[in-house]
Amino acid sequence: NAGVMQNPRHLVRRRGQEARLRCSPMKGHSHVYWYRQLPEEGLKFMVYLQKENIIDESGMPKERFSAEFPKEGPSILRIQQVVRGDSAAYFCASSPNQEATGELFFGEGSRLTVL
Amino acid sequence: SQQGEEDPQALSIQEGENATMNCSYKTSINNLQWYRQNSGRGLVHLILIRSNEREKHSGRLRVTLDTSKKSSSLLITASRAADTASYFCLFSGSRLTFGEGTQLTVNP
Repeated sequence: NAGVMQNPRHLVRRRGQEARLRCSPMKGHSHVYWYRQLPEEGLKFMVYLQKENIIDESGMPKERFSAEFPKEGPSILRIQQVVRGDSAAYFCASSPNQEATGELFFGEGSRLTVL
Repeated sequence: SQQGEEDPQALSIQEGENATMNCSYKTSINNLQWYRQNSGRGLVHLILIRSNEREKHSGRLRVTLDTSKKSSSLLITASRAADTASYFCLFSGSRLTFGEGTQLTVNP
């Protein structure tokens, strides 16, 4: 049973370009969470999704950021017109059910560098 | 803010010593978890304690939870150099929120 898979592991973009980060949850998991981590800091909640639904996007900037978790395929975190402040590690986590054990299974992260 | 606080921010000890990290939160919770993150890697789940539990053990780890004080502590006994990592608490209120983390360095 493969773990949570994130790709790309490293992504370099110039200011104004778009970044797409993908997350494939563990098999059987229908809940996905995205977190952002700046260097030397903790993880900040961005968005919580279930299949085809955004449950909580209160941590995600209103502009330029969007997330989806389609019925088929990975969850996508999309950042349009990237700026230098978007440089960070973006972690995805999945769980089978938020209420079951509460344990989150994390991917290795996608590190975005904006030049 | 729902963000939790952890202290100390950084802790440096010698191998064999015990390490204690604390986490405080502001909201009511269903459970509280501790995670470990090695530099540049993803997070690994260590232990979960439910809101109706006061103490839990797993190997060299001991977690306590005081819901009246809205705080938890993680104790690592007989520390090893391989325990060097950042440790985060995660509490489940209206959303799953991380504390700011404690950077633990265990010197050989």
